[in-house]
Amino acid sequence: EAQVTQNPRYLITVTGKKLTVTCSQNMNHEYMSWYRQDPGLGLRQIYYSMNVEVTDKGDVPEGYKVSRKEKRNFPLILESPSPNQTSLYFCASSFFGEDTQYFGPGTRLTVL
Amino acid sequence: GENVEQHPSTLSVQEGDSAVIKCTYSDSASNYFPWYKQELGKRPQLIIDIRSNVGEKKDQRIAVTLNKTAKHFSLHITETQPEDSAVYFCAASNTGKLIFGQGTTLQVKP
Repeated sequence: EAQVTQNPRYLITVTGKKLTVTCSQNMNHEYMSWYRQDPGLGLRQIYYSMNVEVTDKGDVPEGYKVSRKEKRNFPLILESPSPNQTSLYFCASSFFGEDTQYFGPGTRLTVL
Repeated sequence: GENVEQHPSTLSVQEGDSAVIKCTYSDSASNYFPWYKQELGKRPQLIIDIRSNVGEKKDQRIAVTLNKTAKHFSLHITETQPEDSAVYFCAASNTGKLIFGQGTTLQVKP
């Protein structure tokens, strides 16, 4: 089944404790992206990747890191999480940037 | 940078009526304009998209129009049904960077 998977789906952590949210797709997509969703602010792009080893900042990259060492995986790293990073995070992938993006199920992160 | 404004933030219609959601964008280089539907507790899903070389696109009860001069695009849903109730997001893209509007909560009353 073609899909985008994210892990974990739910995470409660404390300020400053490094964490990684994984994202994997099995559709051989070139493009992958991370978004955060907050009430009243919609979806905001954090980082995107057009291909392996190619990443670019989105609208709200501060406090986040990403890597794209393999085509199928695009992990989101929070080196020192803070409460303002409490949010719902979505990973998405597509064949190229201007194409249908398939979203993962979301990761609800709470930073205390 | 790109900015996308979406209106209205909430929209309530009677079943069978039409619904229109409007978006404006700021970056004239944007060339791809998708619309996503997000049902409560679920992930966003693409419902229709349009590229900058096209003025209008239809898919059954859904249509999107694009006015490049005015930097404005709209989603039109005809003969609305209760299952159309959801949050709708517009977006504008230029070379991979995707900026979403703030979302419109559509309620279709039976």
